[in-house]
Amino acid sequence: SQQGEEDPQALSIQEGENATMNCSYKTSINNLQWYRQNSGRGLVHLILIRSNEREKHSGRLRVTLDTSKKSSSLLITASRAADTASYFCATDNGNKLVFGAGTILRVKS
Amino acid sequence: DTAVSQTPKYLVTQMGNDKSIKCEQNLGHDTMYWYKQDSKKFLKIMFSYNNKELIINETVPNRFSPKSPDKAHLNLHINSLELGDSAVYFCASSQDGARVSNEQFFGPGTRLTVL
Repeated sequence: SQQGEEDPQALSIQEGENATMNCSYKTSINNLQWYRQNSGRGLVHLILIRSNEREKHSGRLRVTLDTSKKSSSLLITASRAADTASYFCATDNGNKLVFGAGTILRVKS
Repeated sequence: DTAVSQTPKYLVTQMGNDKSIKCEQNLGHDTMYWYKQDSKKFLKIMFSYNNKELIINETVPNRFSPKSPDKAHLNLHINSLELGDSAVYFCASSQDGARVSNEQFFGPGTRLTVL
């Protein structure tokens, strides 16, 4: 299975701290994407990193990709209570995305 | 303006019934998807259409039948509903998703409960 696996399953931090989530996958990919899902809502795309990229930034988000280790990390800096959500990585090796089980992030104010 | 909309938001029905979920996107995208999210939040693709043509059918029981009347709409009809069909169903769309998966835009979800 190509399914991405996030680590940790759940993370609880204080507002202002950084949050790091990891994703591992099994097969070669075209790109890897991170999505956020707030409770009871649809997924929202955060960032896409292509297989030939190693690092990408977007606001308070930093994503790294190591294709040799088949892993990616998502760093959220200076977290806010509004960052509380589930975060999913999704890998693409053709015309479909395969989602991991997600990391539940709770930011306490 | 809602980019990807789904109706209904909640659907409660009895086992054995037939039901439909509708999806519309106003983003001008070529590709639309149906996903199923189970109680453990695991999200799995079911179908994908590109310009009204089926391109992904992921081992879904044939009780599930998607239909795309035009590239802005993708509906999902479910026959003979079973308890295990209870889940949240998400519609999504993307630009030119036939060969590579670009950023996908998700609808708000339809929570289906089969009693």
